[in-house]
Amino acid sequence: DVKVTQSSRYLVKRTGEKVFLECVQDMDHENMFWYRQDPGLGLRLIYFSYDVKMKEKGDIPEGYSVSREKKERFSLILESASTNQTSMYLCASSRNHGYTFGSGTRLTVV
Amino acid sequence: AQSVTQPDIHITVSEGASLELRCNYSYGATPYLFWYVQSPGQGLQLLLKYFSGDTLVQGIKGFEAEFKRSQSSFNLRKPSVHWSDAAEYFCAVDSGGGADGLTFGKGTHLIIQP
Repeated sequence: DVKVTQSSRYLVKRTGEKVFLECVQDMDHENMFWYRQDPGLGLRLIYFSYDVKMKEKGDIPEGYSVSREKKERFSLILESASTNQTSMYLCASSRNHGYTFGSGTRLTVV
Repeated sequence: AQSVTQPDIHITVSEGASLELRCNYSYGATPYLFWYVQSPGQGLQLLLKYFSGDTLVQGIKGFEAEFKRSQSSFNLRKPSVHWSDAAEYFCAVDSGGGADGLTFGKGTHLIIQP
């Protein structure tokens, strides 16, 4: 079964910490995405990547960065976590308009 | 930029009644359209998608959706809802390039009354 795996299901971090959220896909997809999901706001695109070492800003990139050193792995980085980054983070990959989502990481910043 | 509007934040339906969830999109060309469902504490599950061809699309769990170009709509329907259909429903659009990701609506929360 094809998969997008997010390394942590739940994460609690302190304000100011550097946080890494990891995502790995086993489908050889070119495109990978990071979304955050908040009640009443739906899913909003943070960053995406269409190739190794390539990255593009989505709708809400402020406070985040990403890294894609290998095709299968796409990392989301919070350089200095803040409480307003408490959210559910979803990773996805795609090819030819077929999307696969991970189960999500619920991040709480205290 | 493309956008997706789901006008209803909450909808309450009696079990066994029919359901229609509305979705309108804003995009210059024919987009790729999707409906996802998310049960509490669960991930996103694809219900159905429209790329081209027949404008009435059948999905899983008895859902269907109709693409209407003239109304820029892609409404989701089910003839008879079950209590297990209570969930959050998201409409999404892919601009067609494929690499830019999905743009989601804000979701409709479906409540099923016994």
